[in-house]
Amino acid sequence: GDSVTQMEGPVTLSEEAFLTINCTYTATGYPSLFWYVQYPGEGLQLLLKATKADDKGSNKGFEATYRKETTSFHLEKGSVQVSDSAVYFCALSEGSNYQLIWGAGTKLIIKP
Amino acid sequence: NAGVTQTPKFQVLKTGQSMTLQCAQDMNHNSMYWYRQDPGMGLRLIYYSASEGTTDKGEVPNGYNVSRLNKREFSLRLESAAPSQTSVYFCASGRAPPGGGYTFGSGTRLTVV
Repeated sequence: GDSVTQMEGPVTLSEEAFLTINCTYTATGYPSLFWYVQYPGEGLQLLLKATKADDKGSNKGFEATYRKETTSFHLEKGSVQVSDSAVYFCALSEGSNYQLIWGAGTKLIIKP
Repeated sequence: NAGVTQTPKFQVLKTGQSMTLQCAQDMNHNSMYWYRQDPGMGLRLIYYSASEGTTDKGEVPNGYNVSRLNKREFSLRLESAAPSQTSVYFCASGRAPPGGGYTFGSGTRLTVV
């Protein structure tokens, strides 16, 4: 079945460092891909999405490119801030399936 | 525009007690979902409703029941709470199918003692 694999956390970086959180997937068809962010004590928020190969989703300085050849959707940001500290979830949806398939989440800690 | 509203935000139950978690959305979404989130376990789907009048089991439905009251509201009921149901519960809604992603509520933190 479909699955999503994320790099394990926590990921600890200093402020202004470059961020990459890896996400790879397995799917039988052509899924849509998502990144969600969960700040402490809050629900999940959609951060960005991409619906077809080579699409780039972007929001709040974060970017991710849908790479079908490597079945990846890595999250990147050029210069992180303390306020980016959160848990980041990668997810996919495929076809008419009503359920999103979730990665386990990656906790990001940014130190001043 | 409130999005997805969950009540209550916090609840403590004694083992064997029952309660209903309420969820309402004002985005005219067809599909609604209940998840639980436990440390180190990620998100696990309890039940979902693809459209008004339908409900289906997710990954961990045992011990729970749901009602899709109308298009806006989707409630989760614990008939006889157990300590294993201590968790944070999230409701979400989305278009059907979820090509646009979900909108989540802010969660209910439930402790069963």
